[in-house]
Amino acid sequence: AQTVTQSQPEMSVQEAETVTLSCTYDTSENNYYLFWYKQPPSRQMILVIRQEAYKQQNATENRFSVNFQKAAKSFSLKISDSQLGDTAMYFCAFRLYSGAGSYQLTFGKGTKLSVIP
Amino acid sequence: GAGVSQSPRYKVAKRGQDVALRCDPISGHVSLFWYQQALGQGPEFLTYFQNEAQLDKSGLPSDRFFAERPEGSVSTLKIQRTQQEDSAVYLCASSFGGGHTEAFFGQGTRLTVV
Repeated sequence: AQTVTQSQPEMSVQEAETVTLSCTYDTSENNYYLFWYKQPPSRQMILVIRQEAYKQQNATENRFSVNFQKAAKSFSLKISDSQLGDTAMYFCAFRLYSGAGSYQLTFGKGTKLSVIP
Repeated sequence: GAGVSQSPRYKVAKRGQDVALRCDPISGHVSLFWYQQALGQGPEFLTYFQNEAQLDKSGLPSDRFFAERPEGSVSTLKIQRTQQEDSAVYLCASSFGGGHTEAFFGQGTRLTVV
């Protein structure tokens, strides 16, 4: 079974600054996906960024980038130039690349990010 | 519609009452998922459909939980004889294909059992 751990229940950052959210995971599998989802008060989970484990290059999406350390099983999210609209819960998630249960997402407990004006 | 639609958005049920939660996936999406999100927690997998076939129901917490997708489109999650521990947000997601395609989530139904 896979587990995902987010050790920072809450974080805050000044508007326009940079913040890094941490995530570690545990799996015995070699091929998988990792995700960061954003959940604003509207409750809808929105995909922020996705990383395939077989890719060494870290994924980036505009102001969002990840630091994927496969050997350490670490997957942190960096948000640059933080904006008020980034205020939300952020969830790290894991999914197997193939095989039984590969459609299932396993989520961490989340980090509540507040962007302060 | 353009996204995954869930109804109702809020539901208050008395303990022991039966409830039905509806999910309308994105048109053409083959895969449909239900997740349960307790307060302060991340979502947890409940069940998975591919078209009308329920391929995995291993996450359903008890036999009081039942999900169906009879025509391979709209899905209903039914909870019988609700209990306080059933209070949670129930999220539905759909994806076009299998595991390599992105899942899109609805806004969830917040169920409160009193």
